[in-house]
Amino acid sequence: LAKTTQPISMDSYEGQEVNITCSHNNIATNDYITWYQQFPSQGPRFIIQGYKTKVTNEVASLFIPADRKSSTLSLPRVSLSDTAVYYCLVGGAGGYNKLIFGAGTRLAVHP
Amino acid sequence: GAGVSQSPSNKVTEKGKDVELRCDPISGHTALYWYRQRLGQGLEFLIYFQGNSAPDKSGLPSDRFSAERTGESVSTLTIQRTQQEDSAVYLCASSLGTLAGVPYEQYFGPGTRLTVT
Repeated sequence: LAKTTQPISMDSYEGQEVNITCSHNNIATNDYITWYQQFPSQGPRFIIQGYKTKVTNEVASLFIPADRKSSTLSLPRVSLSDTAVYYCLVGGAGGYNKLIFGAGTRLAVHP
Repeated sequence: GAGVSQSPSNKVTEKGKDVELRCDPISGHTALYWYRQRLGQGLEFLIYFQGNSAPDKSGLPSDRFSAERTGESVSTLTIQRTQQEDSAVYLCASSLGTLAGVPYEQYFGPGTRLTVT
């Protein structure tokens, strides 16, 4: 399974755009990149998933460069309620379904 | 529809006792995962079930930990002779697995908070 590296923590302010980058240098050809969000005292929740280029949904955007060795989760105009831990996962290649959560990035949004 | 449920929500036990944690996955989900999360830390993978295949037990920290799943239904995680370092939130997740190599999202239960005194 591809190992991922992301910042341990980030700080932002309400209304700003937040970009969290994840490195996955040994990503396999068929691996997908998935991001989850976890609030305190809750289980993680799926945010977005992509394979290449750009994916956008109502919550976030995911940017993946051509070499796919990294990816960036972009949260537009964050609010206090976006304070959470964000996890980057890589996997799914060849029908291997197991995804391993790393330590994640702890995002703190300030007023 | 119903999500993933776990029971009990909280469990306090004395060191050395055995505990059993239960997970009810979403109906039809072939994949089931157990994770451990210590206070302030990320998720630690424990075990993975996929359909009727042999489970992936590579994350179990010791032989005191075991898990079972009957078919694609309920799973139980058993911790024998509990130790204080077993205190954590134990999370269960289920998913449809993958389709043509695309991993489906994992749906998490609320977790069981285990405290070993």
